Amino acid sequence: NAGVTQTPKFQVLKTGQSMTLQCAQDMNHEYMSWYRQDPGMGLRLIHYSVGAGITDQGEVPNGYNVSRSTTEDFPLRLLSAAPSQTSVYFCASSLSTSTANYGYTFGSGTRLTVV
Amino acid sequence: GDSVTQMEGPVTLSEEAFLTINCTYTATGYPSLFWYVQYPGEGLQLLLKATKADDKGSNKGFEATYRKETTSFHLEKGSVQVSDSAVYFCALSGNQGGKLIFGQGTELSVKP
Repeated sequence: NAGVTQTPKFQVLKTGQSMTLQCAQDMNHEYMSWYRQDPGMGLRLIHYSVGAGITDQGEVPNGYNVSRSTTEDFPLRLLSAAPSQTSVYFCASSLSTSTANYGYTFGSGTRLTVV
Repeated sequence: GDSVTQMEGPVTLSEEAFLTINCTYTATGYPSLFWYVQYPGEGLQLLLKATKADDKGSNKGFEATYRKETTSFHLEKGSVQVSDSAVYFCALSGNQGGKLIFGQGTELSVKP
């Protein structure tokens, strides 16, 4: 049972480059989301999805795109990387939007540095 | 909007000391409340949760009680161990379609 798998674990980008952070879950979870973690700011929601074909913006969506073509995968795309996007990115999933009952499962994170 | 405020860290304790990490929240309605723990180099793991007022969540010796009158969900442990060293996040899930709102995290360091 792999849970939530994120790749890569580490990445260094130059300003202006684009890349995709991968997230996959094998638990048939409906709900998937991306957070960024910055010192002193906790985790902030970037984008989320309540099911295949449905995505929506979170608190800090600018500079990021997502899509959800399958239940299992929820990639996060950085369109033109900026130093302000240096952060640790976490993907999380839940069986449904009723997180009170099911909670979230987190991936191990991607540490991104933009130079 | 909904928000969570945690006490600032880092918190440094000696082994077997009593731990309290304060958490207060602002939310409409009746949110569910959570504590997550992040060990070095890892993702977040659910530590405990409470879904209604006066519920007590507990796990691995940690406890937290949902206090609606004070809008608080403080984390406590009677005797901490070195292995409890981690970052602890308080979070809520309110009326926003499953979104989790996190506090800023509190780093705990336990010395032998």
